[in-house]
Amino acid sequence: DAKTTQPNSMESNEEEPVHLPCNHSTISGTDYIHWYRQLPSQGPEYVIHGLTSNVNNRMASLAIAEDRKSSTLILHRATLRDAAVYYCILRGSNSGYALNFGKGTSLLVTP
Amino acid sequence: KAGVTQTPRYLIKTRGQQVTLSCSPISGHRSVSWYQQTPGQGLQFLFEYFSETQRNKGNFPGRFSGRQFSNSRSEMNVSTLELGDSALYLCASSLGDITGELFFGEGSRLTVL
Repeated sequence: DAKTTQPNSMESNEEEPVHLPCNHSTISGTDYIHWYRQLPSQGPEYVIHGLTSNVNNRMASLAIAEDRKSSTLILHRATLRDAAVYYCILRGSNSGYALNFGKGTSLLVTP
Repeated sequence: KAGVTQTPRYLIKTRGQQVTLSCSPISGHRSVSWYQQTPGQGLQFLFEYFSETQRNKGNFPGRFSGRQFSNSRSEMNVSTLELGDSALYLCASSLGDITGELFFGEGSRLTVL
């Protein structure tokens, strides 16, 4: 299975932009890049996903490198409520329909 | 619309017993997947069902099993419980396609004594 690599933790100030990186050098052409986050004491929740082009939604933006070997989740203005563990996951026909979460990045947001 | 419902939310068992956990997916969702979360191993995939058929299986021993009913509700069973099975068990539902968003329940917290 294609794997992802994320920093264990990151810290951001409230109302500042946050860039969460993810490396996936063994990504296959059919793998989608998904991001989920898990707030304390809650189940994971979907954030965003993409294949090749950059994507935006109400929660975040996803910037995908041209070679697709890395991507960055962008939170435009971090709030205290964004403190969570963020997971970058590859999902495609080779990996099946499961989500292989890995360790994720623990984001700390300070006021 | 109603979210994913997992029951029971909390339960305590002793070693050697068995446990059955239930998951009711969002109406219209045909895929249900199960995950185990522990502090040491993080979130690990157990299995996924789509239209009553197991479509994917993670690397867990045969003591962990599941099934899905015609109404898409799913159950997972763990037999001969071990201390290491203490965990939060999360269920997620989706429409079942590869790009589909997964919606997670709040989980069932199992403690094995």
